[in-house]
Parts: sequence; C-alpha cells; structure tokens
Amino acid sequence: SQQGEEDPQALSIQEGENATMNCSYKTSINNLQWYRQNSGRGLVHLILIRSNEREKHSGRLRVTLDTSKKSSSLLITASRAADTASYFCATDTGGYNKLIFGAGTRLAVHP
Amino acid sequence: GAVVSQHPSWVICKSGTSVKIECRSLDFQATTMFWYRQFPKQSLMLMATSNEGSKATYEQGVEKDKFLINHASLTLSTLTVTSAHPEDSSFYICSALGAGGGKTYNEQFFGPGTRLTVL
Repeated sequence: SQQGEEDPQALSIQEGENATMNCSYKTSINNLQWYRQNSGRGLVHLILIRSNEREKHSGRLRVTLDTSKKSSSLLITASRAADTASYFCATDTGGYNKLIFGAGTRLAVHP
Repeated sequence: GAVVSQHPSWVICKSGTSVKIECRSLDFQATTMFWYRQFPKQSLMLMATSNEGSKATYEQGVEKDKFLINHASLTLSTLTVTSAHPEDSSFYICSALGAGGGKTYNEQFFGPGTRLTVL
C-alpha cells in the first residue's frame, strides 16, 4: 500500500521559476528520499533526508522534513526545461530497507 | 559505480506465455533486490523483496506463483511472469542494495525498467 500522498499531482511552470512539491506520509520513518523519473525510464536518486534532519540541500534542490506533520517538500530553484519529469518521494520505515513511494508529481517546465 | 541493468528493456508476448526479466548489479554485490511494478501515470508499487540465496518476500496481494523471483547470485535476480495476461502489462523496475569497492550502499539503485506488453 502506498505510504502517502504528494501534491500537486501535476505542476506546470516557466523556465526560471521555482517548483515546490509536497509529500505527506502516514507512519514513522527512518528516512525519506526523493527520486526523479523521466518518462518511461528508471529512477534517479536525488536526495535522502534522515528523520533527525530538517533540511538538506543539493545544488538547486532543497528538501525539508517535518516529522511532526509527517510531511516533506522538494524545492527546485531556477527550473530548467530539462527538469521536466515525475518526482516521487519514498519513505524508508526501517523494515528491511523497503521503500514506499508516494503518488508522484508530474512537473512540466516550459522554455 | 552502483549501476543496475535490466534485460530486456521491453518485451511483447502473447497471452498465456511466460516472460523472464533479469536484473543485474554491474559493479557491486546486491545482497537485496526489490521488484516494483508501475502502471501508466502511477507510482511504483513494491511487489517483492529478495535476498540472495533465500526465498523472496512478497507484498500483500502479489501472487507468488504468478511472479516467480529468483536471486541465485549476488549480481542477478530474475522475475518470471508466468502465464501472462493483458492485465500484467506494466513497467517492471528492479532496484538493488549492497556493497562494492569498499563501500556499503544504503540507498537503492534502480534499473532502467522493463516494459511488458501482453497481447
């Protein structure tokens, strides 16, 4: 079963704008990870944030985690057309390293 | 490092036939491999977890007799869809956890996926 939800389901922005995607989950976690998937392809790991961390940066990516609200957000700054993809959050609840994926956000960045 | 491959990348088969999908870790030893299924415009659903040399653990609702998983070596896991039907058409993705080159990987590395179409 899916751990949580992501919103928005779809996001359409212009190049240069920032894109924010949110993820909510239901149970306690060890860590939360964000992945990117180009259409019809495999997943690319973007960033992992542990349950005792609140914020993490990687290049143009910024991830926050609020364990009290059981939610996380992914911010992509200064978006590019090449950022067009689906973005998924996935939670590791500590059971055999299994990942439970959110529903995903389809991001379209227009030149 | 930490590359996972899948073969084939796509397959079309007739209803009732069996299809085998391979997942290989190319530069590390995968102690654990995971199999996911993804329907169009949906998220990844975990099907099963396999540890090298032992039986796979299937998620609730996944038929173990229909989706046979074998993880016979530290670099190869196979998923066989037996007696495939059109509703089995999906994108199947594997991932792997393990160690190699002196590193232990705590994140899953994903294969590029296999698109199965059952006619």
